[in-house]
Amino acid sequence: IQMTQSPSSLSASVGDRVTISCRASENINSYLHWYQHKPGKAPKLLIYTASFLQSGVSSRFSGSGSGTDYTLTISSLQPEDFAIYYCQQSYTAPRTFGQGTKVEVK
Amino acid sequence: EVHLVESGGVVVQPGGSLRLSCAASGFNFDDYSMHWVRQPPGKGLEWVALITWDGGGPSYADSVKGRFTISRDNRKKSIYLEMDNLGPEDTALYYCVKDRSLGGSGSFDYWGQGTWVTVSS
Repeated sequence: IQMTQSPSSLSASVGDRVTISCRASENINSYLHWYQHKPGKAPKLLIYTASFLQSGVSSRFSGSGSGTDYTLTISSLQPEDFAIYYCQQSYTAPRTFGQGTKVEVK
Repeated sequence: EVHLVESGGVVVQPGGSLRLSCAASGFNFDDYSMHWVRQPPGKGLEWVALITWDGGGPSYADSVKGRFTISRDNRKKSIYLEMDNLGPEDTALYYCVKDRSLGGSGSFDYWGQGTWVTVSS
């Protein structure tokens, strides 16, 4: 299953609402997860199974979607949110990631 | 607290072999599937391999199938990645990752810091 994220990068300001999309090449039945990755650090799980907030993650992160189309939303971008975001499906093997979306400072 | 500590990454020549290890602590290791995920320099995340809680059902990315073998030792709370016939395309930071499920169909809820594998002559 191929995962396609859009956009590949975006520029935003602190306080902006940010939306990242992820499309699967076939139905993945909400087996869709979102990760944040900062340079020099391990990736961090944000959202699992499309819309469930991982424990300890800020509520400004939310996920939605079903079937083949999913969205990660950051309601009010904070300085610590500038990073690369990946979606990943676990519906079938091989597990696959999107190519990543880089969120940069405007 | 969950800890995953990878080791074994080195510089190796093309065609060579390597064994990565990952020591886990802070959770009931026997109850979870585990994965290896890698990130080549300047590129995105790539899933490599999965092993279920009981060592069954190993599965691999097409890019490593037939060359890499994932295994686990539940007594030692460790997983391993045997890597053979390495090529420059295998150069990457290799992460040990915990699945939140028994069968391996969950999200990746904990990651190690990674170990570097460089394939170069």
